Amino acid sequence: EAQVTQNPRYLITVTGKKLTVTCSQNMNHEYMSWYRQDPGLGLRQIYYSMNVEVTDKGDVPEGYKVSRKEKRNFPLILESPSPNQTSLYFCASSLGRSNQPQHFGDGTRLSIL
Amino acid sequence: AQTVTQSQPEMSVQEAETVTLSCTYDTSENNYYLFWYKQPPSRQMILVIRQEAYKQQNATENRFSVNFQKAAKSFSLKISDSQLGDTAMYFCAFMKGFGNEKLTFGTGTRLTIIP
Repeated sequence: EAQVTQNPRYLITVTGKKLTVTCSQNMNHEYMSWYRQDPGLGLRQIYYSMNVEVTDKGDVPEGYKVSRKEKRNFPLILESPSPNQTSLYFCASSLGRSNQPQHFGDGTRLSIL
Repeated sequence: AQTVTQSQPEMSVQEAETVTLSCTYDTSENNYYLFWYKQPPSRQMILVIRQEAYKQQNATENRFSVNFQKAAKSFSLKISDSQLGDTAMYFCAFMKGFGNEKLTFGTGTRLTIIP
């Protein structure tokens, strides 16, 4: 089954404790992206990757890091999480051609205390 | 930069009725794509319908159709014969036709279908 898998689905942690949210897709997609969803703001892009070893900032990259060492994986790293990073996070992937739809993971709810 | 505006934070409609969700956008691009995504309480992001800006014909997917007015930069979603399962948050989104496939989302409309 074609899917984008995020882990964990839920996480409660404390300020300053490094965490990683994993994202893996099994569709051989070139393009992957991270979004955060906040009430009243919709979804905003954090980082994206056009291919292996190619990453770039989206609209709200501060406080986040990413890497793309393998085509299927695109982890989101919070080196020193803060309460303003409490949010719902989505990973998405696509073939990288605009006429193909993006597939979303099921979301990760992060709470930073 | 592109912006997407959804002016209806919440809407409700009786089951089996028709409802229209509005969306306007601002861009200087000529080639782009527009989307409606549905987010039910399970919080999954589900693609409902997609429209290519170069196509004049309005997209249709079963009970879902759009009214795309390129000159007015308007992209409304019509849901016919609404069902209880249509209860969800609906997001309008814009994507440029090349490069970063970033989706620019509106703030969403929470739709409730009343039995």
